[in-house]
Amino acid sequence: EDQVTQSPEALRLQEGESSSLNCSYTVSGLRGLFWYRQDPGKGPEFLFTLYSAGEEKEKERLKATLTKKESFLHITAPKPEDSATYLCAVARGSTLGRLYFGRGTQLTVWP
Amino acid sequence: DADVTQTPRNRITKTGKRIMLECSQTKGHDRMYWYRQDPGLGLRLIYYSFDVKDINKGEISDGYSVSRQAQAKFSLSLESAIPNQTALYFCATSDPFGGETDTQYFGPGTRLTVL
Repeated sequence: EDQVTQSPEALRLQEGESSSLNCSYTVSGLRGLFWYRQDPGKGPEFLFTLYSAGEEKEKERLKATLTKKESFLHITAPKPEDSATYLCAVARGSTLGRLYFGRGTQLTVWP
Repeated sequence: DADVTQTPRNRITKTGKRIMLECSQTKGHDRMYWYRQDPGLGLRLIYYSFDVKDINKGEISDGYSVSRQAQAKFSLSLESAIPNQTALYFCATSDPFGGETDTQYFGPGTRLTVL
């Protein structure tokens, strides 16, 4: 049973074309929702943690938001260097210390 | 220097061989994790450890074992490697007492190929 579903699986954007990635979750007792960036062959790099519905966090061209059922990663005016796979993960209260990952969205930004 | 290091970075081995992957961290975190990543399947948890005396199985522990030698070191072993263990392996750490509890920080990964 999937607890974290990311969509789309792949997204191609032209440089400057803003868009959003989606992460929907079905866990109870959410402790936190996490976004990571992963470049090919490298380890995931932590971006954001969101703890409660309504929370938002920003970093450069990225903005993460959280509702009770899903999170969005908004990418404003992306550049080719934003190309990567973006992973979403959740932590739930019943299994402390563990994260449950989605399969990721592979983003390609072309010039 | 990287906070979480993994050795080796790449390894090619043959079916039936014993393999050990090592992870070291300088972050001072108590919790450590081993994941594998396969194309299209995402990250799956193999084992995790909340302190030196605490080891727990994850989703896919069959065929693997671990050793927590110290707070900073966590090793993953494949006792008898098989081809379907070919994957990217990642170590991660987290700090249960820090400001961002549950946030995990990953190492650079080990690419393992079993022929």
